Amino acid sequence: EPEVTQTPSHQVTQMGQEVILRCVPISNHLYFYWYRQILGQKVEFLVSFYNNEISEKSEIFDDQFSVERPDGSNFTLKIRSTKLEDSAMYFCASSEVLGANYGYTFGSGTRLTVV
Amino acid sequence: DAKTTQPTSMDCAEGRAANLPCNHSTISGNEYVYWYRQIHSQGPQYIIHGLKNNETNEMASLIITEDRKSSTLILPHATLRDTAVYYCTSTSGTYKYIFGTGTRLKVLA
Repeated sequence: EPEVTQTPSHQVTQMGQEVILRCVPISNHLYFYWYRQILGQKVEFLVSFYNNEISEKSEIFDDQFSVERPDGSNFTLKIRSTKLEDSAMYFCASSEVLGANYGYTFGSGTRLTVV
Repeated sequence: DAKTTQPTSMDCAEGRAANLPCNHSTISGNEYVYWYRQIHSQGPQYIIHGLKNNETNEMASLIITEDRKSSTLILPHATLRDTAVYYCTSTSGTYKYIFGTGTRLKVLA
């Protein structure tokens, strides 16, 4: 079964440093998403991406965050200057179409720890 | 997107049916009901979705009331591997899901 692959599985970074979280969506999917989950809290929407541009973003997704699809396979989330409160699990997801009959496929996540 | 409410936790005996309810009384006519689950800290896993009619797939069944204000996810023969947090959410085709706190289902041996 096709999977969304995320790397690394765990990243530790110092406050103020830039991090890039990487995702390889399912190959024929057209819509890409990032969600995050702070430990013990809800899964929160960050951003969606379609046709090489952001289609929707939440209030969490401020100027410190950016997304990119640098080639035909990768989808990245960059946090420019990390803060302690950015520590969370970050999940990438993809879908074939909007409201696909199979829902979204999520990756296993990257645990980001900011120290 | 509609606000959903679910019980905080439920237990179910292994091999029995697990019935997980969800209230979505503010759902609008074009909003689908989606169910996902999250095992440990893994990414949410899609289970099933529906609009008006009851739906069934290899994982579960979804029963939606006629007024669409509530639904029930049914796992027909729960196993220990079904222990997870189950989320009911809705979307009208926008790009995001709003996940609540979900129902923590514990399947007991």
